[in-house]
Amino acid sequence: IVLTQSPGTLSLSPGERGTLSCRASESVRDNYLAWYQQKPGQPPRLLIYGTSSRATGIPDRFSGSGSGTDFTLTISRLEPEDFAMYYCQQYGSSPGTFGQGTKLEIK
Amino acid sequence: QVQLQESGPGLVRPSETLSLTCTVSGYSISSGYYWAWIRQSPGKGLEWIATIYHSGYAYYNPALKSRVTISVDTSKNHFSLKLRSVTAADTAFYYCAREISMRQVYAGHFDYWGQGTLATVSS
Repeated sequence: IVLTQSPGTLSLSPGERGTLSCRASESVRDNYLAWYQQKPGQPPRLLIYGTSSRATGIPDRFSGSGSGTDFTLTISRLEPEDFAMYYCQQYGSSPGTFGQGTKLEIK
Repeated sequence: QVQLQESGPGLVRPSETLSLTCTVSGYSISSGYYWAWIRQSPGKGLEWIATIYHSGYAYYNPALKSRVTISVDTSKNHFSLKLRSVTAADTAFYYCAREISMRQVYAGHFDYWGQGTLATVSS
C-alpha cells in the first residue's frame, strides 16, 4: 500500500490548528494506521495508533481520525515543540509502509 | 523504561554484509512483544525491513527478504540483522524498534525506537 501525505510542507504559527493528511492507495484493513513525529537527529516517536488512539504520554492536542483510504492528524493548538516532520504508517497489510512525510514548519 | 541501542560498523564495502545488533534494556525480550529493524534514507524514506519474536519466528519485507536475516539471542537480550550483498542504495540510518504486531497480517506499529546508527556503503 502506497501512502501519500499532504501537504509536503505546512507553514503555520504557534497557537494555530494543524491538519495533516495521509491517503492510502487502497483501503487500510481495520484502520491500522499510525502517526509518528520526528525531529532532527532523533528517531520517530509514536503519536497515534489504530487511527485515533494516542500513545502513552502524548498530549491530547494531538488527535487522529479517518477510515478506509483517508486519514488525518490534527494538532489543535500548535506548541513550539510541535514543529517537526510527521509520518503516517499503515500496518493493515504486509509489508507495513510509511508515507513520505509532512514537514510542519514555523511561519 | 524500555531502551534500545543499535551497534555495528558505520562503513561497509559494496557486495559485503552489513551486520547490526540491537541491545534491549529495561525489558526482557523473552517476555514477549516483537522486535524489528527499520531503515531511513533520503531517497526511500522510512522502510520496514524485518521483525522477530523471541521464539525465532520472523517475517520479512519481500523487497529485501532474499538478502536479509534477522535473529534473536535471548540470553544476551539482543537481536540482530544481517543484510548481504550491499550496494550504495543500502546506505541509511538503521533503527531497531519494538513492534506491536498484528501477527495475522505480518505487520505492526512501533512504540519504542533506538537512536539509530548510520551505515554507509562505500569502497
